[in-house]
Amino acid sequence: GNSVTQMEGPVTLSEEAFLTINCTYTATGYPSLFWYVQYPGEGLQLLLKATKADDKGSNKGFEATYRKETTSFHLEKGSVQVSDSAVYFCALGTTDSWGKLQFGAGTQVVVTP
Amino acid sequence: DTGVSQNPRHKITKRGQNVTFRCDPISEHNRLYWYRQTLGQGPEFLTYFQNEAQLEKSRLLSDRFSAERPKGSFSTLEIQRTEQGDSAMYLCASSLVALAGNNEQFFGPGTRLTVL
Repeated sequence: GNSVTQMEGPVTLSEEAFLTINCTYTATGYPSLFWYVQYPGEGLQLLLKATKADDKGSNKGFEATYRKETTSFHLEKGSVQVSDSAVYFCALGTTDSWGKLQFGAGTQVVVTP
Repeated sequence: DTGVSQNPRHKITKRGQNVTFRCDPISEHNRLYWYRQTLGQGPEFLTYFQNEAQLEKSRLLSDRFSAERPKGSFSTLEIQRTEQGDSAMYLCASSLVALAGNNEQFFGPGTRLTVL
């Protein structure tokens, strides 16, 4: 079956540090890959996505590249801000499973001034 | 476009009671999804609708759970005879019918259920 594995948190960083959150997946078919973010007290928001191999999704300074050879979709940001403190979820959707997203467990990121 | 809305935002109930949650999707979206999220975990798929048809249900959705989308717009999720293990955040999401591999979903703020 499909699954998503992401690094455990919390990840604690100082402002302006480099952030990487690892995400690997197992899937049948041809998955699309997503990063969602959940800020404290708010709902899930789509951060970025990639729908095919070698695609790079980007938004708000975050980037992730769909790597089929390593089945990975790692999230990166070059210089984090305190406002990036949130829980980040990696997710996949496949063409044979239109109705659902498979989420990882989430990684909490804490950015300190 | 006001996004996906859910009501109530919080519900506290006693074990054995029935509860019902409502989700209003983005108006032009024809797909609606329900997920459940427990503390420290990612959302888990429960069920989804395309228009008014319920097309898939997870095995997580026991017989005590029922979902409807009678007119293809808002949806309700009912839990009968609640148990303490039902305590979770219930998330609703909506999307347009997607081209191959897209499946971008927009989430509501969730309903937090606490069963005492």
